[in-house]
Amino acid sequence: GAVVSQHPSRVICKSGTSVKIECRSLDFQATTMFWYRQFPKQSLMLMATSNEGSKATYEQGVEKDKFLINHASLTLSTLTVTSAHPEDSSFYICSAISRGGQPQHFGDGTRLSIL
Amino acid sequence: GESVGLHLPTLSVQEGDNSIINCAYSNSASDYFIWYKQESGKGPQFIIDIRSNMDKRQGQRVTVLLNKTVKHLSLQIAATQPGDSAVYFCAATMTAGGTSYGKLTFGQGTILTVHP
Repeated sequence: GAVVSQHPSRVICKSGTSVKIECRSLDFQATTMFWYRQFPKQSLMLMATSNEGSKATYEQGVEKDKFLINHASLTLSTLTVTSAHPEDSSFYICSAISRGGQPQHFGDGTRLSIL
Repeated sequence: GESVGLHLPTLSVQEGDNSIINCAYSNSASDYFIWYKQESGKGPQFIIDIRSNMDKRQGQRVTVLLNKTVKHLSLQIAATQPGDSAVYFCAATMTAGGTSYGKLTFGQGTILTVHP
């Protein structure tokens, strides 16, 4: 089946640091990737939609200057949390869709902890 | 906008029982639905999907039922096993022009606990 790899799986860093999370589709070309945020015991909240070679589309309330998304190739999208603060601590998950469309296939998430 | 919700936030069953997890959606334009399983500390894992032109679809030990009249979706797991313990999410989207690249709207999730 379709495999999506997310790296790193866990990050612990100081407040003010910028953190980059990578999302790779390993065995298919991902025309569209999605970035989600998930708080404990809650559902996934879509942050942004990323299409290869174009600017990401952010959901309402998500700061695009805070959460920088780059989708430079058909197999890689990155999310950079800039100047992270403790309130940015969360579980960030990416997903990807191939040219064939749904379903979305998810990475295993990145646990971000800002001290 | 669309909301997708679940009737039961938690479900506890005995090993070998059948489990039924329910989901309601609000947008009647939704035409594609997916069930995901999420284990602790991991991303959601695809279980089964169904399009709105069907009312039932079966997989290995799982069946999804869709009732478009009442905008209700359910996931049935046969002979539930301890390894089935996880959070289950339903998700819905609208497809357009035959493509299916739309954003998913997730339900709140049901925690399934299977006791040996």
